[in-house]
Amino acid sequence: DVKVTQSSRYLVKRTGEKVFLECVQDMDHENMFWYRQDPGLGLRLIYFSYDVKMKEKGDIPEGYSVSREKKERFSLILESASTNQTSMYLCASSLGGSGAYEQYFGPGTRLTVT
Amino acid sequence: DAKTTQPPSMDCAEGRAANLPCNHSTISGNEYVYWYRQIHSQGPQYIIHGLKNNETNEMASLIITEDRKSSTLILPHATLRDTAVYYCIVRPNTDKLIFGTGTRLQVFP
Repeated sequence: DVKVTQSSRYLVKRTGEKVFLECVQDMDHENMFWYRQDPGLGLRLIYFSYDVKMKEKGDIPEGYSVSREKKERFSLILESASTNQTSMYLCASSLGGSGAYEQYFGPGTRLTVT
Repeated sequence: DAKTTQPPSMDCAEGRAANLPCNHSTISGNEYVYWYRQIHSQGPQYIIHGLKNNETNEMASLIITEDRKSSTLILPHATLRDTAVYYCIVRPNTDKLIFGTGTRLQVFP
């Protein structure tokens, strides 16, 4: 079974704090993704990575950065958390290369910034 | 990426087939149709995907019209655990997914 795990299910941080969200997958997938999900807006792609040390911006990268030092781990960083970053954050992974590959999602981290 | 249109909500009786429609009239020749679902408070779960032909797996069947402008996801015997939001997504064979707002399926006893 593909397993994508996220470091926390629930997180509460204060405005201005630096926040790290960690994601780990155990299937040797090349690709990893960070999304956020908000009511009425669906899932929106923040950043993704096709390989170690590689990253590409998604649709809403502002206010976020990412790190992929190891193949199995993809971190999302909020340099200075703001209240409009309160959201559900979802990590996903998939096989690399060409072809139609499904994404496997983690359980999500519900972040509240106060 | 092609835009999809889905009804916001549907109901289905337990044990009956749930047929979830999706319109994707601007789909391109190299774009696949994917279906995911999201049960409350969980991450999205992959269900099935197809390009031109109908597909079936242990979870569902996917029927794609000949002109590929629409598709239907069929859950043959819906259970209460199938209550979820179902997302229809079309994209080329790259990994970027664009989720819309989906169809909220409520299975009732």
